[in-house]
Amino acid sequence: NAGVTQTPKFQVLKTGQSMTLQCAQDMNHEYMSWYRQDPGMGLRLIHYSVGAGITDQGEVPNGYNVSRSTTEDFPLRLLSAAPSQTSVYFCASITWDGSEAFFGQGTRLTVV
Amino acid sequence: GENVEQHPSTLSVQEGDSAVIKCTYSDSASNYFPWYKQELGKRPQLIIDIRSNVGEKKDQRIAVTLNKTAKHFSLHITETQPEDSAVYFCAATSTNTGGFKTIFGAGTRLFVKA
Repeated sequence: NAGVTQTPKFQVLKTGQSMTLQCAQDMNHEYMSWYRQDPGMGLRLIHYSVGAGITDQGEVPNGYNVSRSTTEDFPLRLLSAAPSQTSVYFCASITWDGSEAFFGQGTRLTVV
Repeated sequence: GENVEQHPSTLSVQEGDSAVIKCTYSDSASNYFPWYKQELGKRPQLIIDIRSNVGEKKDQRIAVTLNKTAKHFSLHITETQPEDSAVYFCAATSTNTGGFKTIFGAGTRLFVKA
């Protein structure tokens, strides 16, 4: 039981490049979400999903896309990276009643 | 929109002293309030939580209190130890027809000096 697996751990992109952050969970949770963590701003919700085929926007969705084709996977796509997207990204898989979020290891993304 | 305010942003205490972190939330529909601890370079992990029908919950050296009327909740750590040094996040979860949404506070960096 690996929990939440998030890759890559580190990434450097040039402005305008695209990339996908991968997230997979093996706990059979319906609810998954993506957060970005910036100094002094805590964890801000980007997108979330309440089940396969269902996604919705969080607080800061602009510049990001998500899809949920399976219960296990919830990738986050940056369409055209900007320096403002430099951050640490966390994927989370959440129990059915919202009582606990299990976070991935995080991705430190730098956009130059 | 909904938000969660957390204070202080930084807290420094002497080992053995108590630490208190306070949060306020805006969404009246919030009914669950977890606290997460994030050690340096690691992922956040749940340490304690409280539901809206409870005013206080205790687990060894940590306790949480909730005042629903004032929309305040707090984390109390007694007899602090150096290993309590970390960033602590409060959060408020509200349930809606599509599921639920969790909003986090900005975090408090706690330093426990030996």
